[in-house]
Amino acid sequence: QVQLQESGPGVVKPSETLSLTCSVSGDPLSTYYWSWIRQPPGKGLEWIGYIYYSGSASYSPSLKSRVTMSVDTSKNHFSLELKSVTAADTAVYYCARGIAANATVWFAPWGQGTQVTVSS
Amino acid sequence: DIVMTQSPDSLAVSLGERATLNCKSSQSVSSSSNNKTFLAWYQHKPGQPPKLLIYWASTRESGVPDRFSGSGSGTDFTLTISSLQAEDVAVYYCQQYYSSPPTFGQGTKVEIK
Repeated sequence: QVQLQESGPGVVKPSETLSLTCSVSGDPLSTYYWSWIRQPPGKGLEWIGYIYYSGSASYSPSLKSRVTMSVDTSKNHFSLELKSVTAADTAVYYCARGIAANATVWFAPWGQGTQVTVSS
Repeated sequence: DIVMTQSPDSLAVSLGERATLNCKSSQSVSSSSNNKTFLAWYQHKPGQPPKLLIYWASTRESGVPDRFSGSGSGTDFTLTISSLQAEDVAVYYCQQYYSSPPTFGQGTKVEIK
């Protein structure tokens, strides 16, 4: 069965770039849309974006100017970069497999999540 | 963006009783061309990742107990837990995947009364 695991720094300084990687096991990266979702403390879930194995990506309009996603099929992982972070980017970041339908996706399964705190 | 609104924000139900959670979308997430409804439900327990329960508004994900059921079409949806168990304590989210960006409701917290 497919498993996802996020990795990356737990603390990022304001104005710097947040970088996370999601390692996927049990499933090649082809076919699905590999996604990032976050949950700020005390708030709900926010979709950040997804990337297809070909490298084609779709991002949340509210984050589009700061987000870049990439995929490495040889290592079976995909990555997130979020530039110019502020305290508002403090959240638990999840990676998830996106299953395509119509214009977008639903998500299953999800990684365990990784806490990222923006602080100097 | 399609706005998803869940009600109530929290719900306390006795063990073995029925829990009814509601989700409303700001526009229809059902397609008349293929008769599909683009709505999913997730269960989120503390310290765990969200878990898909239901997709296509009423299709249970493999392994999900049959006490969980989803219904609705258009703009109004319901997740029903027919007989609440202790392990069902969680926050439940609905999500539309009819149009991009995919959006989630704010969640309904289910507790034991």
